Amino acid sequence: GAGVSQTPSNKVTEKGKYVELRCDPISGHTALYWYRQSLGQGPEFLIYFQGTGAADDSGLPNDRFFAVRPEGSVSTLKIQRTERGDSAVYLCASSLVGAGLDTQYFGPGTRLTVL
Amino acid sequence: ELKVEQNPLFLSMQEGKNYTIYCNYSTTSDRLYWYRQDPGKSLESLFVLLSNGAVKQEGRLMASLDTKARLSTLHITAAVHDLSATYFCAVDGGGTSYGKLTFGQGTILTVHP
Repeated sequence: GAGVSQTPSNKVTEKGKYVELRCDPISGHTALYWYRQSLGQGPEFLIYFQGTGAADDSGLPNDRFFAVRPEGSVSTLKIQRTERGDSAVYLCASSLVGAGLDTQYFGPGTRLTVL
Repeated sequence: ELKVEQNPLFLSMQEGKNYTIYCNYSTTSDRLYWYRQDPGKSLESLFVLLSNGAVKQEGRLMASLDTKARLSTLHITAAVHDLSATYFCAVDGGGTSYGKLTFGQGTILTVHP
């Protein structure tokens, strides 16, 4: 079946601009996660949704970052007043919930470059 | 704060040889994952380990978990070139941090003839 999809695959923007990154999870997965990965590093957790609500947003670096999942499926990560330090690959993952079922499956990522 | 450390960070292997990647973590957890990442690609799930003593094997890769030592290993048997990639372990925070994976730095594996 279809995996996690993310759009756009690449986004180049200028410092100070606003961007939106979209994630379509695997059909039927109730949990959705956002991570970001800088070059040469492991992914860093940003936020976890269970259904429509953010169950854990402790990884969002500051109030310029915001994410929504209004209908419990597609999610959008929004970044205001982008800074050069926001440049990274933003990864989305989805999973079922429950012991043995909650492996997170990752999408291809959106590469964000802030000039 | 949960910390996850992998070693080695770089591993150059000859085809046919065996080696082990180690993953240490700092606080109690009952879920540990291994992922593979090819250059420019996303992460592919390899194994999920849910209990002390758990062992999973797939082809030339075998993963194990010792929750008391807070240690997981990924053992590579008779390496082949196709195994060249970056390998990450990731630990679930559990409790109120359920779903929040903390990743190691990754181990870049290169298998050469």
